[in-house]
Formats: sequence, C-alpha cells, structure tokens
Amino acid sequence: KNEVEQSPQNLTAQEGEFITINCSYSVGISALHWLQQHPGGGIVSLFMLSSGKKKHGRLIATINIQEKHSSLHITASHPRDSAVYICAVSWNTGNQFYFGTGTSLTVIP
Amino acid sequence: EPEVTQTPSHQVTQMGQEVILRCVPISNHLYFYWYRQILGQKVEFLVSFYNNEISEKSEIFDDQFSVERPDGSNFTLKIRSTKLEDSAMYFCASSLIYNSPLHFGNGTRLTVT
Repeated sequence: KNEVEQSPQNLTAQEGEFITINCSYSVGISALHWLQQHPGGGIVSLFMLSSGKKKHGRLIATINIQEKHSSLHITASHPRDSAVYICAVSWNTGNQFYFGTGTSLTVIP
Repeated sequence: EPEVTQTPSHQVTQMGQEVILRCVPISNHLYFYWYRQILGQKVEFLVSFYNNEISEKSEIFDDQFSVERPDGSNFTLKIRSTKLEDSAMYFCASSLIYNSPLHFGNGTRLTVT
C-alpha cells in the first residue's frame, strides 16, 4: 500500500529555533513536494524534489531516495512560519499525488 | 505572478443538487488537477487532466463527478447529485508540465446541507 507518513503531527517552537519536519514514504516516487497551508486554507508549493537538496531563503528541503525519506528544515524560525506543512508524493506508477497528514507548526514569539 | 483562481470561494447547496466549481489555471500550464480536503483531514487527489482528457482519477472520483475544460481558460468540476459527505474544501491546481511544481488556487469551500 502506498503510504506517506509525516512527523511530528504538531510542533511548537520558540522564535529563532531550527525546525525539522520529516516525511517517509513506502515505495518509489518520481517526485516529492513540500507544501505550506496557511490558516485560511490556501496551499503554496515550497519545493519539488526528486533528489538531493534545495534551499530557498530560510527553508531547506532534502531527500534520501534510498531511505525513502525527506526532511524540511526551517532556520531562524519566525511566527509567520506558523502553518501546516504537507508532504506530497507522486509515485513512479503515475501522476496521482498522495498527501501526508501534515505537520502543524506554531512558532511563538 | 500568474495565479490559479477559483470561484466561488464558498458554495452552499442542498443535498441532491448539482454544483459546478470553477477554476482558471495558469495560462501556459498543461496539467490540471482537482483535490479535496474534508475538514480536519488530509488533502486527497481527485483527478488529473491533460490534453483535454482525464489522465488519472482516484477511487473518490466516481460517476457523480466530472471535469471539463469548456474553453481555453476554464477548468470545471461538476458534482451531479451532492451528498452530505461531499462537504469539503476543493482545490484546483495546475502545473506547467508533468512532474513540475504545483500551483494551487485558494479553494472553494463546499457545504452540503
């Protein structure tokens, strides 16, 4: 069964802390996406990865294909980073996307 | 920056009624998607659309659902006879090519009473 697991489910951090959110998946993928969902519901694409590492501002995403694992890191976290972070994968077998349950991040000033 | 737009932002309908949710994808994108998110649950794939036809659909996308690209800009999701369990946020997304970054609309919150 194709599964996408995220951890932790909920995360509270102090402003300035380094944050890591993890995503594991069960079978081979063609790509992995990290998404940010704001309290109002809108979804923004942060990264799309098929290998290695990507960086954008204070956000870093890594993927280890052999271990079927990806991490999203936020450096120097800020209250405006508070959101739900979602991992989504597209499997090798097609164009469907499967979503993790999300990690709810709250950054306290 | 170009964006995906969805209308309406909120739709309330009675059980058994037909609804059409509308989306305008980014103009040069080739792949279009519908997703839904039931309150408190994860986002679920419904359907992908390419070259004027469905390329993939999930088990959720049964005969009550249909998609259409009636002209060069709109992409619609129709639910023929709504059920209470269809109440959810429906997101449209588009991507430039296969396996490229997704661009999401702000969603339509559908409430079936």
